[in-house]
Amino acid sequence: EIVLTQSPGTLSLSPGERATLSCRASQSVRNNFLAWYQQKTGQGPRLLIYGASTRASGIPDRFSGSGSGTEFTLSISRLEPEDFAVYYCQHYGNLAPFAFGPGTKVDIK
Amino acid sequence: QVQLVESGGGVVQPGKSLRLSCVASGFTFSSYSMHWVRQAPGKGLEWVTFIWFDGRIQYYADSVKGRFTISRDNSKNTLYLQMDNLTAEDTAVYYCARDLSTIFGLLGYWGQGTPVTVSS
Repeated sequence: EIVLTQSPGTLSLSPGERATLSCRASQSVRNNFLAWYQQKTGQGPRLLIYGASTRASGIPDRFSGSGSGTEFTLSISRLEPEDFAVYYCQHYGNLAPFAFGPGTKVDIK
Repeated sequence: QVQLVESGGGVVQPGKSLRLSCVASGFTFSSYSMHWVRQAPGKGLEWVTFIWFDGRIQYYADSVKGRFTISRDNSKNTLYLQMDNLTAEDTAVYYCARDLSTIFGLLGYWGQGTPVTVSS
């Protein structure tokens, strides 16, 4: 069973700055089946990135994902006011459970 | 457009049961695997269970195995979660989610959630 850890727990930044979020897996994620989700307060999560680096439909290109194996990164090139939220990584594929990481909160500095 | 609308949440006493529903629209429900994911107050996301597109196979998180049952009625475009022997640890917002494609667990669409509170 894959366990995901995320760092930092909280990231305090200003609009226009770059955000870099990390997700580490306890074992190699097959086929890079690693996704990132965004969740705003009071809302359901939204899929941002899948396959470690593919943006989901309608996701702005300021969001990018990278990594492979056990180390993955979500980057937001220039933070917009609507980007302040909690971000989760998750592995998926053929083997349940499809665990989520504990999340990184990006808040306004 | 894809819509998932959960219902059935509420306040229930420990040891009691509750059944959640999720009505789907905007896509061919019988073609996609479906999931329940929950979020305890102030906590992160926890994957709970999923069911294949045809209902033949289900998987559960260890935390709910033996107490929760996922099912679906493809003729009614509806997903269910039967929750038995509830405990305070089951208090959460429960989200229904659909796989983006044929790859299991890639959750491309989510509902707004229905809250469940287990309290005496």
